[in-house]
Amino acid sequence: SQTIHQWPATLVQPVGSPLSLECTVEGTSNPNLYWYRQAAGRGLQLLFYSVGIGQISSEVPQNLSASRPQDRQFILSSKKLLLSDSGFYLCARSSATRWETQYFGPGTRLLVL
Amino acid sequence: AQSVTQPDIHITVSEGASLELRCNYSYGATPYLFWYVQSPGQGLQLLLKYFSGDTLVQGIKGFEAEFKRSQSSFNLRKPSVHWSDAAEYFCAVGIKRSGGGADGLTFGKGTHLIIQP
Repeated sequence: SQTIHQWPATLVQPVGSPLSLECTVEGTSNPNLYWYRQAAGRGLQLLFYSVGIGQISSEVPQNLSASRPQDRQFILSSKKLLLSDSGFYLCARSSATRWETQYFGPGTRLLVL
Repeated sequence: AQSVTQPDIHITVSEGASLELRCNYSYGATPYLFWYVQSPGQGLQLLLKYFSGDTLVQGIKGFEAEFKRSQSSFNLRKPSVHWSDAAEYFCAVGIKRSGGGADGLTFGKGTHLIIQP
């Protein structure tokens, strides 16, 4: 089966601290990978997507960045967190040929204080 | 740009009753259409999807959805809800594109479903 792991599950960080969230995918090769953020009372907002190693597309200008160092690994980072970065971060995958059918991981809940 | 509207923020339904969750989209052509469900603190699970063809699509957990082009709608239905259906439901659209690559889905803000015993 194709499984998505996200680490950590929950994170509490002070304002101004760095961030690193990890997403790893099992059971598939060359997936498209996505980072979404879900803020309280809102739908999901696409942050980044990647079609391959080292290929990152950014959808929303912000203090976050993403990297894809390996085929099945997608990392979301920040050098200095803001209060507004709090939210639920979801990693998703799709096949390279059917990008529109996206499957989501369990998510990471981030609280910035 | 495309948009998705879920007009009902909360819906309360008695267990065993029928359910319909509304979704309207704004886009110049027919997009890909999806319904996802999210239990508290969990990721999203794909319930069903519509790409083309038969406008009534069947999904998991007894859910179905009907695409109505004239109304730009993709409403989710279930004939008899169970207490375990209590969750947040999201409608999403993806814009058809030629060639490869990827793109994000556009989500509605969700409908919170409450099941009364």
